[in-house]
Amino acid sequence: DAGVIQSPRHEVTEMGQEVTLRCKPISGHDYLFWYRQTMMRGLELLIYFNNNVPIDDSGMPEDRFSAKMPNASFSTLKIQPSEPRDSAVYFCASRGTGAPTDTQYFGPGTRLTVL
Amino acid sequence: QQQVKQSPQSLIVQKGGISIINCAYENTAFDYFPWYQQFPGKGPALLIAIRPDVSEKKEGRFTISFNKSAKQFSLHIMDSQPGDSATYFCAAIAETSGSRLTFGEGTQLTVNP
Repeated sequence: DAGVIQSPRHEVTEMGQEVTLRCKPISGHDYLFWYRQTMMRGLELLIYFNNNVPIDDSGMPEDRFSAKMPNASFSTLKIQPSEPRDSAVYFCASRGTGAPTDTQYFGPGTRLTVL
Repeated sequence: QQQVKQSPQSLIVQKGGISIINCAYENTAFDYFPWYQQFPGKGPALLIAIRPDVSEKKEGRFTISFNKSAKQFSLHIMDSQPGDSATYFCAAIAETSGSRLTFGEGTQLTVNP
């Protein structure tokens, strides 16, 4: 199993630009999570999907952030327009169809730098 | 009430020593407490987890101690090794409230050779 795949691994952009982060969950997993990690705020859940449907987006910081999951094997997190305070490592995670306590498997993350 | 407080922020231990990381929570609905380990440049990975119906769980050199009345739990790493150097996150989830994991702030552990 290839695990959760994220791309790009690193992204440097300028303030005001649109940024799109991509995630491929583990095959067969029905849940997909987007997290943001910063020194100041630690690991924060932004949004999660079940069967491609957004279930909880209460962690999305503002309207500049949007996430989609058009099919079971692909999700995007988009920031438009980006700001320097969006600089962080963004993780995607997935888990299977069992209990909420089942293990979430994290991808390697995308390190975003907004200049 | 959703927060999980973790301490210390950083920890330096000599090889062979015991590393202890503590977490506290307020939400009594939490019913599952995993610990994640994160190496630089990697995503967090599940290390060990416990339910509040037991006071201790041991897997190899890693042990979780759980105090339900105090709403506290801790990770003990026995015979700490340099390869254990990583950031450790405690977390909590209320199974009946969906799949939202609440993470502690993280502890950066350094084990000196």
